[in-house]
Amino acid sequence: AQKVTQAQTEISVVEKEDVTLDCVYETRDTTYYLFWYKQPPSGELVFLIRRNSFDEQNEISGRYSWNFQKSTSSFNFTITASQVVDSAVYFCALSGAPGDDKIIFGKGTRLHILP
Amino acid sequence: DAGVTQSPTHLIKTRGQQVTLRCSPKSGHDTVSWYQQALGQGPQFIFQYYEEEERQRGNFPDRFSGHQFPNYSSELNVNALLLGDSALYLCASSLIPGGAHNEQFFGPGTRLTVL
Repeated sequence: AQKVTQAQTEISVVEKEDVTLDCVYETRDTTYYLFWYKQPPSGELVFLIRRNSFDEQNEISGRYSWNFQKSTSSFNFTITASQVVDSAVYFCALSGAPGDDKIIFGKGTRLHILP
Repeated sequence: DAGVTQSPTHLIKTRGQQVTLRCSPKSGHDTVSWYQQALGQGPQFIFQYYEEEERQRGNFPDRFSGHQFPNYSSELNVNALLLGDSALYLCASSLIPGGAHNEQFFGPGTRLTVL
C-alpha cells in the first residue's frame, strides 16, 4: 500500500530561520512520483515540485530545496531564510506508476513563520 | 489562460440532501480528478474522469458519483449527505491521464458544510 507520513504536525520558526519539513513515504512501485504542494489559507493547492523515483538529485529553487533519499524513503523540503509569506500548510504526496494518477497526500505540516 | 475553476465556493446542506459541485479544467486539459479534504487532513482521491468515463476511483462509497461533459468540465454528485461529508472538495485537471508528466493543477475548492 502507498502511504505518506509527515510526522511534524505544526512548526513555528522566526522569520529568516531555515526550516526543514520531513516526509517519509511507502510504496511497492518501482516507478513513482513525489510531490510537494503548498496550501495557503485561501485553500488552493500550489504545486511546488515533482520528482520521479529515478532522479535522486537534490533540487534547489530559490530559497526552496528538496532532498530525495531513496535509501530512507524520504523526500524532505527545506526553506532557507524563511519569510512570513511562507506560512501555509505543506503537503508531501506520492503517485504511482504511469497509469495510476491518484495522488496520495500526507496529512500536512502547518508552518508558522513569526515576524 | 484560465486555471481550474470550481463552483460554488461555499455550500451548506442538511443531512440526507444531495449536492452537485462543478469544475472547469484548465484550458487544454482533458482529465479531471476530484479530491475530498477533511479539516486538518490531506486531500483524498475520490475519482478521475477522462473521455467522459470514470477512469479510476478511490475508496469512496457509491453515494459519490460524477460526470464529465464533452467540453471536459465535470460534476461531482453526493447523495444522502452525512455530517462526515463536510469538507473542502478539490478538483484537479491534467492533460493526459497516466502520463509521465501528469502534473495536476488544482482549483480553489468548494467548501461543503453538512448540518
